[in-house]
Amino acid sequence: DAMVIQNPRYQVTQFGKPVTLSCSQTLNHNVMYWYQQKSSQAPKLLFHYYDKDFNNEADTPDNFQSRRPNTSFCFLDIRSPGLGDTAMYLCATSRGKGPSNEQFFGPGTRLTVL
Amino acid sequence: AQSVAQPEDQVNVAEGNPLTVKCTYSVSGNPYLFWYVQYPNRGLQFLLKYITGDNLVKGSYGFEAEFNKSQTSFHLKKPSALVSDSALYFCAVRDLLNSGNTPLVFGKGTRLSVIA
Repeated sequence: DAMVIQNPRYQVTQFGKPVTLSCSQTLNHNVMYWYQQKSSQAPKLLFHYYDKDFNNEADTPDNFQSRRPNTSFCFLDIRSPGLGDTAMYLCATSRGKGPSNEQFFGPGTRLTVL
Repeated sequence: AQSVAQPEDQVNVAEGNPLTVKCTYSVSGNPYLFWYVQYPNRGLQFLLKYITGDNLVKGSYGFEAEFNKSQTSFHLKKPSALVSDSALYFCAVRDLLNSGNTPLVFGKGTRLSVIA
């Protein structure tokens, strides 16, 4: 089945220790998104790629970065995680950038910063 | 700026009864509206969307939603709730006016509990 896969599902890291979260998709979708979802809150868009075109949301912290080496993979790098970065991180894809395109989500990576 | 309001943090309904999860929106232009469901420790799953046309939209798992432009609402409904419908439901909107660049904006979510 075509899907969005995230690894790892659970990640624990120490304050300030860099961490990388991985997302891959078999849907061959052009757009990939990273969201942060804190407990009992709505998902918040961090950034997205339309093909190789990177789009950063204005309020995304500077220590959050992303890479998309090819169509299938996208990575979220947190250079110096703080305690406030503890959250679920959701990867999503959509066929196109148009507003009618629904997004397909992965299962998420639950990150805990100690 | 676009926004979504889900006025209820929690909705409780008995199994077999109809359910409604409320959503209102605010956009500058015309809205594209979506409902997603999230089960514990899982990502969001797409349920249904309104783009244009018939105001009543049917989606997955027997859910439907009615677009009401005058009330700026897009309430999610199901005629007969199942215990397995218990989950967190998110309404989301994109503004057609700036559709190329605006992100999908989610409401804060409504937790639905269906009691057997």
